[in-house]
Amino acid sequence: GAVVSQHPSRVICKSGTSVKIECRSLDFQATTMFWYRQFPKQSLMLMATSNEGSKATYEQGVEKDKFLINHASLTLSTLTVTSAHPEDSSFYICSARVMGETQYFGPGTRLLVL
Amino acid sequence: GQNIDQPTEMTATEGAIVQINCTYQTSGFNGLFWYQQHAGEAPTFLSYNVLDGLEEKGRFSSFLSRSKGYSYLLLKELQMKDSASYLCAVRDLGGYQKVTFGTGTKLQVIP
Repeated sequence: GAVVSQHPSRVICKSGTSVKIECRSLDFQATTMFWYRQFPKQSLMLMATSNEGSKATYEQGVEKDKFLINHASLTLSTLTVTSAHPEDSSFYICSARVMGETQYFGPGTRLLVL
Repeated sequence: GQNIDQPTEMTATEGAIVQINCTYQTSGFNGLFWYQQHAGEAPTFLSYNVLDGLEEKGRFSSFLSRSKGYSYLLLKELQMKDSASYLCAVRDLGGYQKVTFGTGTKLQVIP
């Protein structure tokens, strides 16, 4: 299957700092990437849909000014958690869709805000 | 919007067969996925159904009935490593074809 990478895999930061997470499709071009968040023992919650060259579409309740998404190329999308707080600690997972087919997930980034 | 229901937890015996059900209500249906997720890891793709019927892949099979808004994942010859959460997810017909996940079914395989 298609390969999606995420970097970093784990990050610990102080409250108030910003954290950038990268999502790359390694062997295919992804016109659409999705960002999910997963809290412990809960399912994946879609945060936003990222399309190359256009503004991301955010789900209801997700602050677009806090979670900045940039999809600068067909193989890279970034999520920046600005002014992170402890309640932002979570497992952030991106996925990329192969045209008309399934979604493949990155390995996830575990964020801990102290 | 979409509403997806699946059991929270299930327990099954090694070597047995288990069926995990998923019901959904959606304003526009464009396929249903099953993913496996081990604790602390990202989901991995298991199956995709867009037409009614059964799709078989080795020990795993997935069934879809669009008229009933119903799917199941069938796991045969259970192995201990199959202990994981199984996520049912539905794709909509919107421009971005976003996928919405159910809460997942945590399966425990016991000896």
